[in-house]
Amino acid sequence: NAGVTQTPKFQVLKTGQSMTLQCAQDMNHEYMSWYRQDPGMGLRLIHYSVGAGITDQGEVPNGYNVSRSTTEDFPLRLLSAAPSQTSVYFCASRDRDYNEQFFGPGTRLTVL
Amino acid sequence: ILNVEQSPQSLHVQEGDSTNFTCSFPSSNFYALHWYRWETAKSPEALFVMTLNGDEKKKGRISATLNTKEGYSYLYIKGSQPEDSATYLCAFNGATNKLIFGTGTLLAVQP
Repeated sequence: NAGVTQTPKFQVLKTGQSMTLQCAQDMNHEYMSWYRQDPGMGLRLIHYSVGAGITDQGEVPNGYNVSRSTTEDFPLRLLSAAPSQTSVYFCASRDRDYNEQFFGPGTRLTVL
Repeated sequence: ILNVEQSPQSLHVQEGDSTNFTCSFPSSNFYALHWYRWETAKSPEALFVMTLNGDEKKKGRISATLNTKEGYSYLYIKGSQPEDSATYLCAFNGATNKLIFGTGTLLAVQP
């Protein structure tokens, strides 16, 4: 199993550009989530999904869109990048409540 | 807004010291409390998932306890080693299916 994979590993954008961060898991997990990591802030939940076709907002959803058309994939879209979105983004999955969450390797995004 | 708090923010100990951290979380709508270990330049890795009041879990020199009625969990490390240096995160799993993380405790163990 590859576990949770994320692409790209690094990305530099200009303000106003859009892009999609890819996330995939091969463990048939129902729950998938996106987090951002900022110094002193820990991991903050952006969006999450409890199954294909179902998504919901987390703590900091503004400026981001998600969709879940398959169990395996959970892309995160930045609609119009802003410097405040400079961060490290982690995708994670788990099979249900009560079970541990597995994290991808992260995507480091810089918005100039 | 769910409030998950961890203390202390950081901790510096000597090799061989035992240490503990605290995670406080909402005592209502509790499903589970997770602990993760996060080394620099890596991804967080799960240590424990705790679901029952009074739960105690152990993995090697690391153990954790859970009090859901008062909303806190303790993580203990016995005989800290330099390889224990990492950020330790707790996460609250409530009725909304969200997993909300605290800001973490940064542990530095000096040889």
